[in-house]
Amino acid sequence: ETGVTQTPRHLVMGMTNKKSLKCEQHLGHNAMYWYKQSAKKPLELMFVYSLEERVENNSVPSRFSPECPNSSHLFLHLHTLQPEDSALYLCASSQDPLTEQYFGPGTRLTVT
Amino acid sequence: EDQVTQSPEALRLQEGESSSLNCSYTVSGLRGLFWYRQDPGKGPEFLFTLYSAGEEKEKERLKATLTKKESFLHITAPKPEDSATYLCAVQDDYKLSFGAGTTVTVRA
Repeated sequence: ETGVTQTPRHLVMGMTNKKSLKCEQHLGHNAMYWYKQSAKKPLELMFVYSLEERVENNSVPSRFSPECPNSSHLFLHLHTLQPEDSALYLCASSQDPLTEQYFGPGTRLTVT
Repeated sequence: EDQVTQSPEALRLQEGESSSLNCSYTVSGLRGLFWYRQDPGKGPEFLFTLYSAGEEKEKERLKATLTKKESFLHITAPKPEDSATYLCAVQDDYKLSFGAGTTVTVRA
């Protein structure tokens, strides 16, 4: 595997379900990110981890819970989501928080 | 708060018809301006980083330029495979802020 990978690529879940999104980067980077992309809207930064410590949390609802066990892996735990949470969730990584970010293919999430 | 505005929202070009995309920004302390390309159903692909006014970067048919208030992405003699959404983002000391993008369609 090369670059940034995300699983699953598609996810349909009910509002009472609990699921997790996984991201893995194979670039040797020290920073990882979660973004939300909704139709016709700019990418919204959700969480930033640098050297496995969370450095940014952009007022994201508590039904989204990130986890960064090491510098190569990032998870986004989801529970009791709302239909408006349906979007493309993108993971990215960079050498440090100020350099260019490399994105994964995204997870298309649908909340029913 | 940083603001990034991209125009136009959509651009339809004939193959070979050169054009430019605009990204205007306000930021307190620019650390870098980034251009990305995004194809439908995929994550953004990094294209360029620009750090200071007057800087230019080129890659194949694409050329990015930067002033103190805006950046342009010039597409020279585009081909259908250049069809994509092009995203601009600005980096300050804390985070990367994205514009909504310009969707480019190139017809053969």
